[in-house]
Amino acid sequence: EVQLVESGGGLVQPGRSLKLSCAASGFTFSNYGMHWIRQAPTKGLEWVASISPSGGSTYYRDSVKGRFTISRDNAKSTLYLQMDSLRSEDTATYYCATDLFAYWGQGTLVTVSS
Amino acid sequence: DIVLTQSPATLSVTPGESVSLSCRASQGISTSIHWYQQKSNESPRLLIKFASQSISGIPSRFSGSGSGTDFTLSINRVESEDFSVYYCQQSYSLPFTFGSGTKLEIK
Repeated sequence: EVQLVESGGGLVQPGRSLKLSCAASGFTFSNYGMHWIRQAPTKGLEWVASISPSGGSTYYRDSVKGRFTISRDNAKSTLYLQMDSLRSEDTATYYCATDLFAYWGQGTLVTVSS
Repeated sequence: DIVLTQSPATLSVTPGESVSLSCRASQGISTSIHWYQQKSNESPRLLIKFASQSISGIPSRFSGSGSGTDFTLSINRVESEDFSVYYCQQSYSLPFTFGSGTKLEIK
């Protein structure tokens, strides 16, 4: 059974950093691209970033380019999202998802507020 | 960016009715559209991939159609567990984008 478990969310002040993790199990992690998608409170879904199976290619939405870094450790079957220079508009539940967004984690809430 | 416009924003129906939800893309995207269901306080769940391809474990009452710019998610005989929000999403080009959602509610 595919399982994705996010962690690392919390309350952080504007301008500070946070690193999210997504532990994967139930499939061969190194064979699949992975994604981060977020959802602001009471709002819709927004794609954030993607990474290729090897980690050699990464893609970001414009609003997080230069501030967020997606990475992965295939030996640990874990996906990461390093978030720097956080802004209030980054407040959201962050989900990790497999290729084609076929499987999603339960999400981790990031709140950026002073 | 490709904009996906979903309509209606809210659809009020009685259990047992059949419904169609629309998703229109701002440019042609072939069949690179996918549909998700999100129940309150839950993660989204993939229902249909590439416009019309079924997903294992998803009830057969859910079906999808369309290509180019106009897409439809159909639910044959809505059941109580189907009342939730439905999103379409395109994988034709980056950035991946989602529609704003259609909320299916009980009349």
